[in-house]
Amino acid sequence: QKEVEQNSGPLSVPEGAIASLNCTYSDRGSQSFFWYRQYSGKSPELIMFIYSNGDKEDGRFTAQLNKASQYVSLLIRDSQPSDSATYLCAVTPGSSNTGKLIFGQGTTLQVKP
Amino acid sequence: GAVVSQHPSWVICKSGTSVKIECRSLDFQATTMFWYRQFPKQSLMLMATSNEGSKATYEQGVEKDKFLINHASLTLSTLTVTSAHPEDSSFYICSAPPQDRVHEQYFGPGTRLTVT
Repeated sequence: QKEVEQNSGPLSVPEGAIASLNCTYSDRGSQSFFWYRQYSGKSPELIMFIYSNGDKEDGRFTAQLNKASQYVSLLIRDSQPSDSATYLCAVTPGSSNTGKLIFGQGTTLQVKP
Repeated sequence: GAVVSQHPSWVICKSGTSVKIECRSLDFQATTMFWYRQFPKQSLMLMATSNEGSKATYEQGVEKDKFLINHASLTLSTLTVTSAHPEDSSFYICSAPPQDRVHEQYFGPGTRLTVT
């Protein structure tokens, strides 16, 4: 079992719809969770981070965390073609306080006009 | 805030030569920086953790004598790919967390290395 799992997609949604991206992780000790967006040929860009169970909203983005189920998700409301990218989920290993991150393989999102 | 730069953005070198890549935190200090490698259509693979003033910590399977890391100051880490071969061609990306927000990693723009 991979430490951080994401469906590679592609996930295709129409413009204006809600895109839902999911991620599961195996380390129950993980405390910090991150979503990065990566455009083709570019480096990842931090979108959101979440530390506590529940929802965290920032503009059109909402991160949801459920530690009991070891599940974190990212919702993108009013999806735009410019949101088309690969979304990487990352978690901190429970045993580490150095900032080390474990990344999932990423989900490719396609927003069709 | 939290800007990380890399230099060069791309480099082409001949097989057997060495290439140095610089990673700088521009508006914050970082005692730790991370070096990743990404092959096409694959996710980020952590290569090593660069520690200011001490030796780097390498991930399993990464040759420390081939990928030399130096973290001489709180704003600069360098990765040197020694005796490069075509299979080392990849996208190398560094990241750094601010000292007061150690779990928030900000990535540099990456360096695309092509070894001919």
